Amino acid sequence: AQSVTQPDIHITVSEGASLELRCNYSYGATPYLFWYVQSPGQGLQLLLKYFSGDTLVQGIKGFEAEFKRSQSSFNLRKPSVHWSDAAEYFCAVVGNTDKLIFGTGTRLQVFP
Amino acid sequence: EPEVTQTPSHQVTQMGQEVILRCVPISNHLYFYWYRQILGQKVEFLVSFYNNEISEKSEIFDDQFSVERPDGSNFTLKIRSTKLEDSAMYFCASSSGPPNNSPLHFGNGTRLTVT
Repeated sequence: AQSVTQPDIHITVSEGASLELRCNYSYGATPYLFWYVQSPGQGLQLLLKYFSGDTLVQGIKGFEAEFKRSQSSFNLRKPSVHWSDAAEYFCAVVGNTDKLIFGTGTRLQVFP
Repeated sequence: EPEVTQTPSHQVTQMGQEVILRCVPISNHLYFYWYRQILGQKVEFLVSFYNNEISEKSEIFDDQFSVERPDGSNFTLKIRSTKLEDSAMYFCASSSGPPNNSPLHFGNGTRLTVT
């Protein structure tokens, strides 16, 4: 069965610093991978997705993620974080079912 | 940009009462879902719905839960007799195709509090 691990529960960065949020997945075949962001009191907004093709995918708000099959990873990156990026970030995977399986999330705090 | 809308944003109910959570998916979407997030925990799949029937459900989605698309625009989740442990944020989502082909679009959620 597919699963997702986000090893970092909480990350704090300074505004302007670079960011990398880790995500590892478990699935035997080619996974379909997503990053969602949840601001306080809000729903889940899709940042980016990987279905196939180029392993470096660009998303909204300046985020990108790279699919690395050899490492079973799909880490999210941003070169320069803004205070408005403070939120909870969820990695998710779909395998061969209708279920989107979420990781436990990483809470990002941004200091000025 | 079209959105998934959910009402109410917050519902308080007493244990044992029935609740209906309402969702209006994006109009040309064909796949519909309910997820929930207990406070401090991960987002969990409850049920997916396609072609007027449940296509998949989780172990959480027992006989107390049901879904309906009564009029071609709304998509509802009913909990027949609420328990304290049903307190959570419930998210509705929709997609134009299956999840391995089309991303899910989520609503802002309904926070259900069972007292």
